[in-house]
Amino acid sequence: DQQVKQNSPSLSVQEGRISILNCDYTNSMFDYFLWYKKYPAEGPTFLISISSIKDKNEDGRFTVFLNKSAKHLSLHIVPSQPGDSAVYFCAASTGNQFYFGTGTSLTVIP
Amino acid sequence: DAGVIQSPRHEVTEMGQEVTLRCKPISGHDYLFWYRQTMMRGLELLIYFNNNVPIDDSGMPEDRFSAKMPNASFSTLKIQPSEPRDSAVYFCASRGGILNSYNEQFFGPGTRLTVL
Repeated sequence: DQQVKQNSPSLSVQEGRISILNCDYTNSMFDYFLWYKKYPAEGPTFLISISSIKDKNEDGRFTVFLNKSAKHLSLHIVPSQPGDSAVYFCAASTGNQFYFGTGTSLTVIP
Repeated sequence: DAGVIQSPRHEVTEMGQEVTLRCKPISGHDYLFWYRQTMMRGLELLIYFNNNVPIDDSGMPEDRFSAKMPNASFSTLKIQPSEPRDSAVYFCASRGGILNSYNEQFFGPGTRLTVL
């Protein structure tokens, strides 16, 4: 049973526009959420995270929003760049247990 | 720092054969994780170690899978006998204790396993 879901397997966005990637989770005990970015033939790399005590965390062009009541988080990339084209995984954790979504493949069109 | 090192990068084997995947974590990291990536289920945690001791192996799919960490710089994931449904990309990840980098894991490049 998937505790973390990314319902959009793919997303295409024009360069310079906003990319919004969504993630839903089921376990209210999760206390930390992360986004990883993965290029082909490479391992996932950490992008940004947010603690459950916050509802927003920003790092440059990347912002993660957390809505605990809806058990939903999203990653906003503004402005999107062609180099952002990759697969994005969201993850939720409690202690050392990590649960990843199935990923969303983002394509930024020049 | 070389990052997490995995070998081999690609493995093609026949059903019934034994497969051994290897991982060298980042020096100083005391947690090591093994994941499997499939299209249907994304990244699944198979097992993780703390200070070389297996802590949770509830994600290991069957008894055909086993993992060891004989020392702080080396871990193996073994599948015996292998089956076609084991075909996936297997990732190893490590992270420091809570005082170093809370919750961020560093992933290796993965081993793409194909079982014919």
